[in-house]
Amino acid sequence: GESVGLHLPTLSVQEGDNSIINCAYSNSASDYFIWYKQESGKGPQFIIDIRSNMDKRQGQRVTVLLNKTVKHLSLQIAATQPGDSAVYFCAENRSTGSARQLTFGSGTQLTVLP
Amino acid sequence: DAGITQSPRHKVTETGTPVTLRCHQTENHRYMYWYRQDPGHGLRLIHYSYGVKDTDKGEVSDGYSVSRSKTEDFLLTLESATSSQTSVYFCAISESKQQETQYFGPGTRLLVL
Repeated sequence: GESVGLHLPTLSVQEGDNSIINCAYSNSASDYFIWYKQESGKGPQFIIDIRSNMDKRQGQRVTVLLNKTVKHLSLQIAATQPGDSAVYFCAENRSTGSARQLTFGSGTQLTVLP
Repeated sequence: DAGITQSPRHKVTETGTPVTLRCHQTENHRYMYWYRQDPGHGLRLIHYSYGVKDTDKGEVSDGYSVSRSKTEDFLLTLESATSSQTSVYFCAISESKQQETQYFGPGTRLLVL
């Protein structure tokens, strides 16, 4: 079936370095993708999104890249800070008739080392 | 958490008892969703609502029912709780079908003994 998956379950980076979190998707009908950050004990928090007609989108310290040819999505975090430690989810969003539904990957745990 | 509250935040119950979780939003968004989050499964959609009294099933709807009698409240009911329904439950909202981004509440941690 269609699914969203993540390449690595954990990622450790030094404070100040850049982080790259990867995601693979298999549903070619998906036209919208979202990255969420989830801190322990909290709900997922929206970080950045990208539509399928775009290759790149930048936010504050974050960049999302979309490669539709290989169905790959990545989240880049510049100058990673301790507050960036969290689980990061990518989600694909597609229309299902009455609503749009999100399908989540299982997440990547990012740990920022001092 | 984008004007979303969930109650209770924590609940312990016994197998076979009914449980109702409440999601309340102050954003006047049309769409509301219930997800469950389990280790190794990420977040999975249980039910969603696209308007007052308009609901539909998600990926893992068996054993759950929902109701939405007013815009701001979306209730999730476990008619007879089972241990497999031990999970963290999240409510989410989105403004419209065209506004795809969903914003999540703080979650309810449910333990069924």
